[in-house]
Amino acid sequence: DIQMTQSPSSVSASVGDRVTITCRASHAIKSWLAWYQQKPGKAPELLIYGASNLQSGVPSRFSGSGSGTDFTLTISSLQPEDFATYYCQQANSFPFTFGGGTTVEIK
Amino acid sequence: EVQLVESGGGLVQPGRSLRLSCTSSGFTFGDYAMSWVRQAPGKGLEWLGFIRRKAYGGTTEYAASVKGRFTISRDDSKSIAYLHMNSLKAEDTAVYYCTRDLASRHSYDGMDVWGQGTTVTVSS
Repeated sequence: DIQMTQSPSSVSASVGDRVTITCRASHAIKSWLAWYQQKPGKAPELLIYGASNLQSGVPSRFSGSGSGTDFTLTISSLQPEDFATYYCQQANSFPFTFGGGTTVEIK
Repeated sequence: EVQLVESGGGLVQPGRSLRLSCTSSGFTFGDYAMSWVRQAPGKGLEWLGFIRRKAYGGTTEYAASVKGRFTISRDDSKSIAYLHMNSLKAEDTAVYYCTRDLASRHSYDGMDVWGQGTTVTVSS
C-alpha cells in the first residue's frame, strides 16, 4: 500500500498568512492526488484534484502543486473560514489512502 | 440539489453485522463510482472501498483492514449504495461517509460529493 505522510501535523497561523502543507507519498503516484478540507463536525470537501486542479467553487487562494512523491497545498492568504483540517489522498493505485491530516489553527 | 444521505448506523454488539445505506438524489447515480470512508473518534480519514459504475464492470476495491468483512454494493434502480459490514469489532466504531467519485476508466478526479455521515458504535 502507498503511505501518505503529511507535515506538519498542525500549524498555527494568522489571518492573511501564507500557509503551506506538504504531503509525501511512499511511492510515486504521478499527479493522482487530491486535497480535502474538513471543519469540525462536518464532512470533508474536495479542494484540489489531479494535484493542481481547483475544484469548482473553491476560492483561488487555494492552490496545489507537485508530482511523483512530493506535493504541496498552499493557502495564499489565510481567511477565518480556512481554519480546518486538511487531508491529502492518493488515487494512483488501490487501496486509496489518506494522509494523517494537518490542522490549521488560529495563532 | 446533489445530495447523499447515509443511514443505518447505530449501536451494535461485537461480532454482529450491519448494513449502511447511501441514498442519492440530484444526479444520475448509475453514472458514478462511489466510495465509503470512515473516521474514528478524534482520528483522521480512512478509505474503506470503492465500487465502479456498471459501465466499467461494477467491480469493487477494498482496504486491507476491511477486506473479507465489508462488502460494497449498489442498486442503480434505487440510486442507493450499500456498505455491508460483518464481524464488527470495537475498532470499527466511527462515522461512516459515502462519497460520489469522479472516476472514469483512466482517470480519477476526487470525491466531489460527501454525505453527512452515519455513526456506528460497536460495543457490548
